[in-house]
Amino acid sequence: DAKTTQPTSMDCAEGRAANLPCNHSTISGNEYVYWYRQIHSQGPQYIIHGLKNNETNEMASLIITEDRKSSTLILPHATLRDTAVYYCIVRVAGSGNTPLVFGKGTRLSVIA
Amino acid sequence: GAGVSQTPSNKVTEKGKYVELRCDPISGHTALYWYRQSLGQGPEFLIYFQGTGAADDSGLPNDRFFAVRPEGSVSTLKIQRTERGDSAVYLCASSPQGTGVGEQYFGPGTRLTVT
Repeated sequence: DAKTTQPTSMDCAEGRAANLPCNHSTISGNEYVYWYRQIHSQGPQYIIHGLKNNETNEMASLIITEDRKSSTLILPHATLRDTAVYYCIVRVAGSGNTPLVFGKGTRLSVIA
Repeated sequence: GAGVSQTPSNKVTEKGKYVELRCDPISGHTALYWYRQSLGQGPEFLIYFQGTGAADDSGLPNDRFFAVRPEGSVSTLKIQRTERGDSAVYLCASSPQGTGVGEQYFGPGTRLTVT
């Protein structure tokens, strides 16, 4: 079973920041937080991951609370192409080749 | 460069028939995964290969499901005596050896419909 909880759906206006929350209150010290997204009719796509420090890349920023029990994925300027299901996944560090455990994710709708 | 490809993109079969689904991973990726996704659900793990061998097949639902990767590249997922409950999108993913990051690259999936 997935070790994360996410809202079922969210809306965001185009051009605004999209903030997607994730709760992982049972996360262990050696588990990373990963985010993937799945655009309609495509396979999931890796976005970002982190352990305890905030992370940023060309796609998004990841903010992890100090107690690591929750995190937020931020898309700074959402576009219509960001409409997708976003999955938050926790995974043991160094387990580069172990399967991903997906929950139901958050369906983000970016509205013009 | 070329990503993960899966064929066919769609497959319709009758209950009780045998089907094969093919996955071509990214060249050089040693790890390969199969997942199954039902409507409205996240992908569910089926089996994982490291090279030619199945490192973890704990997600296969029953013995009607089998997968091979004989040369450590292309993989085939085989389903015998298909049932209507097998209808789903079957996703394949690959990743390089020992990256530590665990980024998996997914194909577009094969939509299987059992009538």
